[in-house]
Amino acid sequence: NAGVTQTPKFRILKIGQSMTLQCTQDMNHNYMYWYRQDPGMGLKLIYYSVGAGITDKGEVPNGYNVSRSTTEDFPLRLELAAPSQTSVYFCASRTKETQYFGPGTRLLVL
Amino acid sequence: GENVEQHPSTLSVQEGDSAVIKCTYSDSASNYFPWYKQELGKRPQLIIDIRSNVGEKKDQRIAVTLNKTAKHFSLHITETQPEDSAVYFCAASGGGTSYGKLTFGQGTILTVHP
Repeated sequence: NAGVTQTPKFRILKIGQSMTLQCTQDMNHNYMYWYRQDPGMGLKLIYYSVGAGITDKGEVPNGYNVSRSTTEDFPLRLELAAPSQTSVYFCASRTKETQYFGPGTRLLVL
Repeated sequence: GENVEQHPSTLSVQEGDSAVIKCTYSDSASNYFPWYKQELGKRPQLIIDIRSNVGEKKDQRIAVTLNKTAKHFSLHITETQPEDSAVYFCAASGGGTSYGKLTFGQGTILTVHP
């Protein structure tokens, strides 16, 4: 049982490039979340999903898109990377009320 | 939406002392309040949580108290140890259509000096 896994661990993007951050969980959780954490700050919710085929915006969705075609996978897409998207991105899944976080993806946009 | 304020932003204590971190929330419908510990470069890890039908919960050296009327909750760490040094985040979540979305505080950097 690997829990929540994320790839890549670290990525450098040029302004305007696009990429997909991968998130997979093997706990059969319906609820999944994407957060971003800027340096010295708390986590802010980008998008969330309550099950396959259902997604909704969180607090800071601009510049991102998500999809949820399976229970296990919840990828986050950046279409036109901007320096303001430099951050650490955490995926989480939830059982009952407890959220379990993945190890994070550190993204640098230059 | 929910707003969570956390204080202090930094806290420095001597080993063996107690540490207290306080959070206030704005949405009276919030009913779940977890605390996460995050070490440098690592993911947030749940250390304790409390639900709105409980006033206090304890787990060894860690305790959390909740005052629903005043809309604030606190983390108490007793007999602090250097390995308690980390960033601590409080969070709040509502029931019903909130779908478990967490609103986080800004974090407290706790340093325990040997």
